[in-house]
Amino acid sequence: SQTIHQWPATLVQPVGSPLSLECTVEGTSNPNLYWYRQAAGRGLQLLFYSVGIGQISSEVPQNLSASRPQDRQFILSSKKLLLSDSGFYLCAWRWGSGNTIYFGEGSWLTVV
Amino acid sequence: LAKTTQPISMDSYEGQEVNITCSHNNIATNDYITWYQQFPSQGPRFIIQGYKTKVTNEVASLFIPADRKSSTLSLPRVSLSDTAVYYCLVGDMDSNYQLIWGAGTKLIIKP
Repeated sequence: SQTIHQWPATLVQPVGSPLSLECTVEGTSNPNLYWYRQAAGRGLQLLFYSVGIGQISSEVPQNLSASRPQDRQFILSSKKLLLSDSGFYLCAWRWGSGNTIYFGEGSWLTVV
Repeated sequence: LAKTTQPISMDSYEGQEVNITCSHNNIATNDYITWYQQFPSQGPRFIIQGYKTKVTNEVASLFIPADRKSSTLSLPRVSLSDTAVYYCLVGDMDSNYQLIWGAGTKLIIKP
């Protein structure tokens, strides 16, 4: 069966520091991968998606970037965090044209 | 992209059937309707998906009228553990999930 993991689960970072959140998917190959952000009490906002290694599409202009160095690995990064980058970050995957998207456990980022 | 409208919150009691209705007046021909459940500090979890009429699985039923402009998620005999936020999403499976997530419906189940 397929599983998705992301880490770290929680992170407190000072303004201006770098960020790296990592996500891996097991049990499938060539998944579509996604990074979402969720503000408190709000719905999810799609940040990036990837259909293959090295292929990244950005949905909103922001202080963040994403990379997919391996088929089942998706990384969310920032060179210098802003206070507004705080939130709940979720990695997700979908297989091909399948109808369901599956989410990881989420990572809480607090920028102080 | 189809936008959805659902109640901000609902209350019910253990053992009751709960129905959450979602409006999606601008649904497109290729769009599917998907419901997710989210507990605090967890990723959303897929509940059910449908295109038209009725779909049932082990946890819920989804009712979709012929015009597809709305849908109703039905949770039979809810328990306290069903307290969560429920999201209704409408989207084309080929659009790489450029879905619009609203604030969802916060369902509170009371003993």
